[in-house]
Amino acid sequence: AQRVTQPEKLLSVFKGAPVELKCNYSYSGSPELFWYVQYSRQRLQLLLRHISRESIKGFTADLNKGETSFHLKKPFAQEEDSAMYYCALRGSGGYNKLIFGAGTRLAVHP
Amino acid sequence: GAVVSQHPSWVICKSGTSVKIECRSLDFQATTMFWYRQFPKQSLMLMATSNEGSKATYEQGVEKDKFLINHASLTLSTLTVTSAHPEDSSFYICSASRGPTDTQYFGPGTRLTVL
Repeated sequence: AQRVTQPEKLLSVFKGAPVELKCNYSYSGSPELFWYVQYSRQRLQLLLRHISRESIKGFTADLNKGETSFHLKKPFAQEEDSAMYYCALRGSGGYNKLIFGAGTRLAVHP
Repeated sequence: GAVVSQHPSWVICKSGTSVKIECRSLDFQATTMFWYRQFPKQSLMLMATSNEGSKATYEQGVEKDKFLINHASLTLSTLTVTSAHPEDSSFYICSASRGPTDTQYFGPGTRLTVL
């Protein structure tokens, strides 16, 4: 079964601290993994995707197929990073269906 | 570019009535649009996928006759909740993509409250 697991509902850190938002997935083939972010009162927007291997707003995520993980990391959290973060999986085969994790709320305190 | 709008942003209706929600891609043509449902403090659950000009593909457990989806043009998809009941109250979000494997761009969502 296809599944995305984000074990933490809330992650609370102080400004300047490192952040790691965990994401594990279950998929039998070669999935594409994404991180979406939703700031307060705003729509969901794409943060990054594993195939791009880029860093957005200081965030990075590496796909670890052995551990079936796609954790989101940032070395120094900023207050403006406070938001809801969703990990999502898209299966192979050209079908654009996204499966979302439950989401993790990141709260960065001054 | 790649802006998706939804209308209305919120709606309150009486039990038994039908409600239509529109999803528009404002600056691109969307061959595929998706409809999600989000309960409070929960994740997005895909309800159905619609491709322009063809019937929508519904996810398991989603009633086709209850949630009517129409994707008549490359910039508009509609979701009609028929004979709405209080348990249909939720946040409905659409997304649109240019092609089957392109990035999904999300609308701001529509909050439906059924009294």
